Amino acid sequence: SQQGEEDPQALSIQEGENATMNCSYKTSINNLQWYRQNSGRGLVHLILIRSNEREKHSGRLRVTLDTSKKSSSLLITASRAADTASYFCATPAGGTSYGKLTFGQGTILTVHP
Amino acid sequence: ETGVTQTPRHLVMGMTNKKSLKCEQHLGHNAMYWYKQSAKKPLELMFVYSLEERVENNSVPSRFSPECPNSSHLFLHLHTLQPEDSALYLCASSQVGYEKLFFGSGTQLSVL
Repeated sequence: SQQGEEDPQALSIQEGENATMNCSYKTSINNLQWYRQNSGRGLVHLILIRSNEREKHSGRLRVTLDTSKKSSSLLITASRAADTASYFCATPAGGTSYGKLTFGQGTILTVHP
Repeated sequence: ETGVTQTPRHLVMGMTNKKSLKCEQHLGHNAMYWYKQSAKKPLELMFVYSLEERVENNSVPSRFSPECPNSSHLFLHLHTLQPEDSALYLCASSQVGYEKLFFGSGTQLSVL
């Protein structure tokens, strides 16, 4: 079973609107990351939130983490057409000193100009 | 120059061919990874090299053979692949002790 599962699978909005994506996971974690992927390209790290943090901001991104519910959300404010991409949450497998991550299936975000 | 470079970007091969994917990182990292991304499936971790030693091999068929000659270079040697091996193959690197991964642009592989 997957560690991280995103919801919704696809999201279509107009430019200027906010986009919210959710991620649920199953086991205890010490951090959670969000990545972005443009079609057919590599993933780009967006933000990392640690288990002792509840909320983190980076530019137009806002990430929340609720460890009691084992869930996280990514909010993109004032979306732009250039935000069109797939967004993945990733959690560490744990017990390793390197970055072994488990990814969810992702949310496909389409922002219409 | 980008931090993690993968070549080729696209590859079409027959089932009897032998080819290699190349990855090079310019970030001074000491861990490198191969991930496979198939349509409608989450990214699958294939191999991890940490400090030039293979530390993960997640039940990958022997037709995939990784090689890490040094901390900056990673190869994935392919032979007698199957059509279901068609996917985007992503290389990533990180610093041991840190969870953030830096990805290359990937090689889109089609097996005919």
